[in-house]
Amino acid sequence: AQSVTQLGSHVSVSEGALVLLRCNYSSSVPPYLFWYVQYPNQGLQLLLKYTTGATLVKGINGFEAEFKKSETSFHLTKPSAHMSDAAEYFCAVSDQGTDKLIFGTGTRLQVFP
Amino acid sequence: KAGVTQTPRYLIKTRGQQVTLSCSPISGHRSVSWYQQTPGQGLQFLFEYFSETQRNKGNFPGRFSGRQFSNSRSEMNVSTLELGDSALYLCASSLASGRRKTQYFGPGTRLLVL
Repeated sequence: AQSVTQLGSHVSVSEGALVLLRCNYSSSVPPYLFWYVQYPNQGLQLLLKYTTGATLVKGINGFEAEFKKSETSFHLTKPSAHMSDAAEYFCAVSDQGTDKLIFGTGTRLQVFP
Repeated sequence: KAGVTQTPRYLIKTRGQQVTLSCSPISGHRSVSWYQQTPGQGLQFLFEYFSETQRNKGNFPGRFSGRQFSNSRSEMNVSTLELGDSALYLCASSLASGRRKTQYFGPGTRLLVL
């Protein structure tokens, strides 16, 4: 069975600082991985996805993630945080048996001026 | 292209009542999945419909049901509401089914059960 673990339920950074949100996965088959962002009182917005091919994936709003099989990781980064990046971020893996998304517990990002 | 729409956005019900939530997928998308989001349990999969057929079902009691229409619009129904059913219900659509599919989410319906 697949699973994801997000380390750190809360991350705080200053505006302009590097953003690093951690995600580790567990999968017995090649994983399909996703990052979503949720702003207050809204649904989930897709940031980026990894299915096959290039291990460095670029997404919207300046975010990117690198798939590292040896470390079973898919960490999300952004070089310079903006106030508008404050939100909750979810890492997810697509389940082999049911095709459903299995989500991590989320990381709330705070950005201070 | 319009995104996924969900109606209503907010709903208040009392215990024992039933509720029906609606989801209209992105035009051309044939797969619709439903998820429940709560502070305690996080995001959990309810079920997926593709071409009017339920493909997969999560670990929820039979009070939770759904259906999909020929235009790919989907509804989910919860009967005999319990306090614990208070949650944000999210609908997601995708072009096709399968593990590689990319799911696009709607804004959700927030259900409060009193």
